Amino acid sequence: EDQVTQSPEALRLQEGESSSLNCSYTVSGLRGLFWYRQDPGKGPEFLFTLYSAGEEKEKERLKATLTKKESFLHITAPKPEDSATYLCAVQPYNQGGKLIFGQGTELSVKP
Amino acid sequence: NAGVTQTPKFQVLKTGQSMTLQCAQDMNHNSMYWYRQDPGMGLRLIYYSASEGTTDKGEVPNGYNVSRLNKREFSLRLESAAPSQTSVYFCASRIPGQGGVKNIQYFGAGTRLSVL
Repeated sequence: EDQVTQSPEALRLQEGESSSLNCSYTVSGLRGLFWYRQDPGKGPEFLFTLYSAGEEKEKERLKATLTKKESFLHITAPKPEDSATYLCAVQPYNQGGKLIFGQGTELSVKP
Repeated sequence: NAGVTQTPKFQVLKTGQSMTLQCAQDMNHNSMYWYRQDPGMGLRLIYYSASEGTTDKGEVPNGYNVSRLNKREFSLRLESAAPSQTSVYFCASRIPGQGGVKNIQYFGAGTRLSVL
């Protein structure tokens, strides 16, 4: 069964305190892995897509990495505006492009 | 461009009532999706339409029906609402392929539904 598990469920950081969010997955065949950001009351906003183990992508203070079993979202020197829920999803092959989501990590960055 | 537009934004129903959630995208995307989001459960796929004229069940299809009206619009219908269908519903769309903006699912702002 295709499955995604994110940890921790919640993370509290001080401004400037770097950390990482984990996304572990099992999937029959990985087409791609996606990271989204979701603010309260809004829809998920796309951050990154990773397609093969070893791939890395960066955007401002965020960096996403991928191995054959998990992905990390590294947050360097976070700011309060980085506070949000971060969602990880896998896309299996040949299933119409659908995504299987983890439960999310709620990040809070205090000034 | 508006992207993915969902209506209504909020809705309260009584058990047994029916309603249709509307979704429209203006990005000329082929594929469209309906998800529900519940606390601690993440987003779960209800139905999807890989291309105009096709629909398929997702993980949690029971109690729902869908219609791909045309390339732009994909509606979700609750025939007889139940309290277990209280949730936030998201519609998404994408262009198949890889590279650039392809294969990225873009989400609407959601419909918050309460069934009493």
